[in-house]
Amino acid sequence: DVKVTQSSRYLVKRTGEKVFLECVQDMDHENMFWYRQDPGLGLRLIYFSYDVKMKEKGDIPEGYSVSREKKERFSLILESASTNQTSMYLCASTSGGQVYGYTFGSGTRLTVV
Amino acid sequence: GNSVTQMEGPVTLSEEAFLTINCTYTATGYPSLFWYVQYPGEGLQLLLKATKADDKGSNKGFEATYRKETTSFHLEKGSVQVSDSAVYFCALTLNTGGFKTIFGAGTRLFVKA
Repeated sequence: DVKVTQSSRYLVKRTGEKVFLECVQDMDHENMFWYRQDPGLGLRLIYFSYDVKMKEKGDIPEGYSVSREKKERFSLILESASTNQTSMYLCASTSGGQVYGYTFGSGTRLTVV
Repeated sequence: GNSVTQMEGPVTLSEEAFLTINCTYTATGYPSLFWYVQYPGEGLQLLLKATKADDKGSNKGFEATYRKETTSFHLEKGSVQVSDSAVYFCALTLNTGGFKTIFGAGTRLFVKA
């Protein structure tokens, strides 16, 4: 089975800190995604990547950046964490093609204090 | 634009009751349709999918039929169990760059013993 592993289940960070969320997948998927999930707002796409060193903005990229130096790893960076970035962050991956569906990681619950 | 609308929850049922969660979509082109399930504290898991009109996806007793004429993909199960308690997300993926997926807001299901 494809596995998507997010490095932390829970994180607590201070306002203004630079935060790195790591995601690794083990099935050579081209496409990787970062979503945040908030009550009442569903899943919102932050950034995605369809190849190494390639990235595209999603619907809510402000305050975030990403890095994809290797195919299996897709990192989400909060440049200067703020309390409104407290959320559940979900990483997902898929192989090329619209028919396969996503494989998600278990999520990282980030609290910014 | 492209969107997914699903019925608001929570939905509360007794064990062995029949489940329907409604989902309709708006999309340009020919999307693939998915249902994902999220158990408490976890990421989303792909439950079932259908990639073209009139396809029926099924898994673990759940099923949904891709209805192009009504732009719907309703989730059904004949007899729910307590272990089905979760949040269910309807989603579509288009054959566009990066194969982004658009998710519905999610429907929480509670099943009582």
